[in-house]
Amino acid sequence: DTAVSQTPKYLVTQMGNDKSIKCEQNLGHDTMYWYKQDSKKFLKIMFSYNNKELIINETVPNRFSPKSPDKAHLNLHINSLELGDSAVYFCASSQLGRKSEQYFGPGTRLTVT
Amino acid sequence: AQTVTQSQPEMSVQEAETVTLSCTYDTSESDYYLFWYKQPPSRQMILVIRQEAYKQQNATENRFSVNFQKAAKSFSLKISDSQLGDAAMYFCALMNNNAGNMLTFGGGTRLMVKP
Repeated sequence: DTAVSQTPKYLVTQMGNDKSIKCEQNLGHDTMYWYKQDSKKFLKIMFSYNNKELIINETVPNRFSPKSPDKAHLNLHINSLELGDSAVYFCASSQLGRKSEQYFGPGTRLTVT
Repeated sequence: AQTVTQSQPEMSVQEAETVTLSCTYDTSESDYYLFWYKQPPSRQMILVIRQEAYKQQNATENRFSVNFQKAAKSFSLKISDSQLGDAAMYFCALMNNNAGNMLTFGGGTRLMVKP
């Protein structure tokens, strides 16, 4: 019954590796997002994506790329991982338009060693 | 660019008392939404309350209410009859209806509830 799910919940990896985090929503929403929460708890948008357009926060390095195989999924690929990528990554979804509340996944804690 | 500022990194309240968390924001848009999200230690982001900028009436959800001052760009959260389960990080967030509906968050306020 989980509305927005993410896998894995925890990910530990070494610098230089490439990794992916999966996100799925079963709410029938048309828009999905990725947010990054750093060690100081600050939350920042990384991407907004629907079937029409991808909006990228200009501060996101191009090592990060969202991939959407279908409307219910938005996976996050990260190449050449760096220590500074360690954070909690949240996926969210919403239906564009008024009253467009975003529903968040449980988060994935990424640790780069 | 839009910004959201929470000036209180930490707040504490006695159980059953009332506490107000502050939030100010800046945006050039006229059509936007404001939110308060709660993040308990489980790290799940939970929507507490939502306010449409075009509505003058302050939103309320049970023990949670907001004081929305549009001209002052202020959006504070009042928690009445505080409970131990209210202890969490609280984030104020702003969303414009354009630009992909992305949320801009404040830095958060950690709320502690004393028994």
